[in-house]
Amino acid sequence: QMQLVESGGGLVKPGGSLRLSCAASGFIFTDYYMAWMRQAPGKGLEWVAYISGGGHTIDYADSVKGRFTISRDNAKNSLYLQMNSLRTGDTALYYCVRGNYGMDVWGQGTTVTVSS
Amino acid sequence: ELVLTQSPGTLSLSPGETATLSCRASQSVSITYLAWYQQRPGQAPRFLISGASRRAAGTPDRFSGSGSGTDFALTISRLEPEDFAVYYCQQCGGSPWTFGQGTKVEMK
Repeated sequence: QMQLVESGGGLVKPGGSLRLSCAASGFIFTDYYMAWMRQAPGKGLEWVAYISGGGHTIDYADSVKGRFTISRDNAKNSLYLQMNSLRTGDTALYYCVRGNYGMDVWGQGTTVTVSS
Repeated sequence: ELVLTQSPGTLSLSPGETATLSCRASQSVSITYLAWYQQRPGQAPRFLISGASRRAAGTPDRFSGSGSGTDFALTISRLEPEDFAVYYCQQCGGSPWTFGQGTKVEMK
């Protein structure tokens, strides 16, 4: 059964850092682009970043470019999001997702709260 | 940036009725990269349709997607109680990937 399980969320002060992790299982991890999406409380969905199966193609939303870094460890079937210089506007539920032509597998999300 | 505009914002319907949701793009989108999602309260989004019209595994056949170019639609026939949710369209063909703002289908 295909599964994505996120971890690493929490409460952090503005300017702080967090590293999110996503453990994938039930599919051939290297066959898929992986991405992070987020959803602020009561708001819609926002794409954050994606990475290709081999890790060579990466892109970021302008709102996080230069502050967030997406990476993957294919040997561990894991996806990561290093988040630095966090802002209150980064407060959201962060989802790990799988997808090549549409995001067909979603984790349950991990909550990031940026507040002083 | 390719903007997706969904309408209406909210659709109030009764079970058994048909819902028609619109997703309009600010520039042409390849159908390969147009997807629809359902999100129920407190749950992660669920993948419904890829390629503008191809139902994902497990998506009931009362859900159908259509459209091309800049105009896309999701039709839900014979609404069931579990269909009352928020629906998002998304394009992943060009950077940045973008979502519409969502259409809420609520029970009248």
